[in-house]
Amino acid sequence: DAGVIQSPRHEVTEMGQEVTLRCKPISGHDYLFWYRQTMMRGLELLIYFNNNVPIDDSGMPEDRFSAKMPNASFSTLKIQPSEPRDSAVYFCASGEMSSYNSPLHFGNGTRLTVT
Amino acid sequence: AQSVTQLDSQVPVFEEAPVELRCNYSSSVSVYLFWYVQYPNQGLQLLLKYLSGSTLVKGINGFEAEFNKSQTSFHLRKPSVHISDTAEYFCAVSDLGGGGYNKLIFGAGTRLAVHP
Repeated sequence: DAGVIQSPRHEVTEMGQEVTLRCKPISGHDYLFWYRQTMMRGLELLIYFNNNVPIDDSGMPEDRFSAKMPNASFSTLKIQPSEPRDSAVYFCASGEMSSYNSPLHFGNGTRLTVT
Repeated sequence: AQSVTQLDSQVPVFEEAPVELRCNYSSSVSVYLFWYVQYPNQGLQLLLKYLSGSTLVKGINGFEAEFNKSQTSFHLRKPSVHISDTAEYFCAVSDLGGGGYNKLIFGAGTRLAVHP
């Protein structure tokens, strides 16, 4: 099992550009989460999906952010247009059913820098 | 609403010394409690969890934590740390009535620095 795979690992872009972050969850996991980590705010849940359907996007900061999960093996988080305050590490995580006996598995994150 | 407070942002310690990372939570209902570890440039990994039963929970890498309901605490301990334990540690809470992982609230993290 390769774990949760995120790409790219690092992204540097200029303000105003569109940024797309990608995630491949662990096969068989039916929950997928997008988190953002910053020094100021720690780990924040942005949005999560269950069986490819967005369940709660209340953590998405504003309309510039959007997330999709077209199938069980792929999800994207898009920022358009990007701003310097979006600079952070973005994590994708997947979980097997809504069970705490199965831990959340995190990817290694995408470090986004917006200049 | 739930919240998690990790009382120390950084904890320096010498190798082979014991360590305690403190976590307090606030919730009006019964909770599940977790500790996750984040090594440099990696995602979070589950260290241990408390769901029910014995209040002393043992996890990976020799870590353990004790759930104290009266003090609303879930402190993480290790009797003898290694250099390889240098990482950021996150305490997290979720209420029992929650709809699954979406209710997982993380603390701000404690950076453990183990020195030779």
